[in-house]
Amino acid sequence: DTGVSQDPRHKITKRGQNVTFRCDPISEHNRLYWYRQTLGQGPEFLTYFQNEAQLEKSRLLSDRFSAERPKGSFSTLEIQRTEQGDSAMYLCASRISYLSRRAYNSPLHFGNGTRLTVT
Amino acid sequence: AQKVTQAQTEISVVEKEDVTLDCVYETRDTTYYLFWYKQPPSGELVFLIRRNSFDEQNEISGRYSWNFQKSTSSFNFTITASQVVDSAVYFCALSEAKRYSTLTFGKGTMLLVSP
Repeated sequence: DTGVSQDPRHKITKRGQNVTFRCDPISEHNRLYWYRQTLGQGPEFLTYFQNEAQLEKSRLLSDRFSAERPKGSFSTLEIQRTEQGDSAMYLCASRISYLSRRAYNSPLHFGNGTRLTVT
Repeated sequence: AQKVTQAQTEISVVEKEDVTLDCVYETRDTTYYLFWYKQPPSGELVFLIRRNSFDEQNEISGRYSWNFQKSTSSFNFTITASQVVDSAVYFCALSEAKRYSTLTFGKGTMLLVSP
């Protein structure tokens, strides 16, 4: 089963350190999304890519956050100078979307997430 | 602004009981999509269903059924004859058609099914 894959599953870091997460989407999916989920809450949208282009960023994505999808395949999310408030589950999702004679939007398929703990 | 409310934080049932998870939404758009996702302890969000705002037909899939009522802005989810494997957090979500990419999730309902 080639679902959305995220690495690492867990990351513990000290405040002030930088961390980077990786997401490998389902291979034929052209859109990739990052969401953040804090304890007891639903996921919140951070940003998304269509192929290698970053098309939208949420106001939740501060300057310390940067995401890339250099070749339109896997994506990385980096957090610089981590703060305790960054502790959360970071979820990646992908889907296929194309506009043709018959526009199509598949639902989002999520990975298992990366749980970040900032101490 | 759009909003999804799942008033039930946690529900506990005994196996074989039926259970309904409530979802109420707010949006100014006339065209939108509603979703349900399941999040087991492993953390992965599993897609269950998507409905668009023009399709108010109720849907049944095995033990799962969904009741969409635009008049009350609700999209409720019923599990019939619950099983222990149904234990998970269930999220209702909304997206507007022009911003299909961005889902607004409710806070989720944790369902505990005991044997």
